[in-house]
Amino acid sequence: EDKVVQSPLSLVVHEGDTVTLNCSYEVTNFRSLLWYKQEKKAPTFLFMLTSSGIEKKSGRLSSILDKKELFSILNITATQTGDSAVYLCAVEAESRGGTSYGKLTFGQGTILTVHP
Amino acid sequence: DGGITQSPKYLFRKEGQNVTLSCEQNLNHDAMYWYRQDPGQGLRLIYYSQIVNDFQKGDIAEGYSVSREKKESFPLTVTSAQKNPTAFYLCASSHTWRAGEQYFGPGTRLTVT
Repeated sequence: EDKVVQSPLSLVVHEGDTVTLNCSYEVTNFRSLLWYKQEKKAPTFLFMLTSSGIEKKSGRLSSILDKKELFSILNITATQTGDSAVYLCAVEAESRGGTSYGKLTFGQGTILTVHP
Repeated sequence: DGGITQSPKYLFRKEGQNVTLSCEQNLNHDAMYWYRQDPGQGLRLIYYSQIVNDFQKGDIAEGYSVSREKKESFPLTVTSAQKNPTAFYLCASSHTWRAGEQYFGPGTRLTVT
């Protein structure tokens, strides 16, 4: 059974701080690891990391994937109040044919609160 | 504007009643998904569909049913057989060639009493 564990479960910081969110996983036939941000209701896509792309950057957010140790981290530098959200990590498994079903297994999420 | 819509936002039902949640997308995505989210938990996959007239069970399909008669639509029925139906339900869609990047609707909060 595929499994994703995120830590910490919640984090409270002040604006300007740097945070690191962790995600460890166990999956049969790994295809990709995803990060999503859920502010109110609908999660929004942040990053997809695969074997061919182990590090992603987008402004103040960056993410790395360690396929050997089976974990990923999401870094947010110079945090702002608008970064307050639940951050979800998910893994995607590959089907036997080598394609993707889009069948994601999510972790429980990290609740990030950024105070002014 | 392209997007994915779910209706209604809030739904209240009595125990023993079936209820259908709507999900529509105009993103021209082939794949669609239904997830359930409970407080303090991540998303759990109920059903998914990669093409019209075809769908597969996810991790928690018991007590749910779906149909995929049109590319744009993927309604979810919560049946009376679902033992704990009160939850937040999210619908998503994606291209099949990049299925991990999913676009989510705003969700439906279902309360069954």
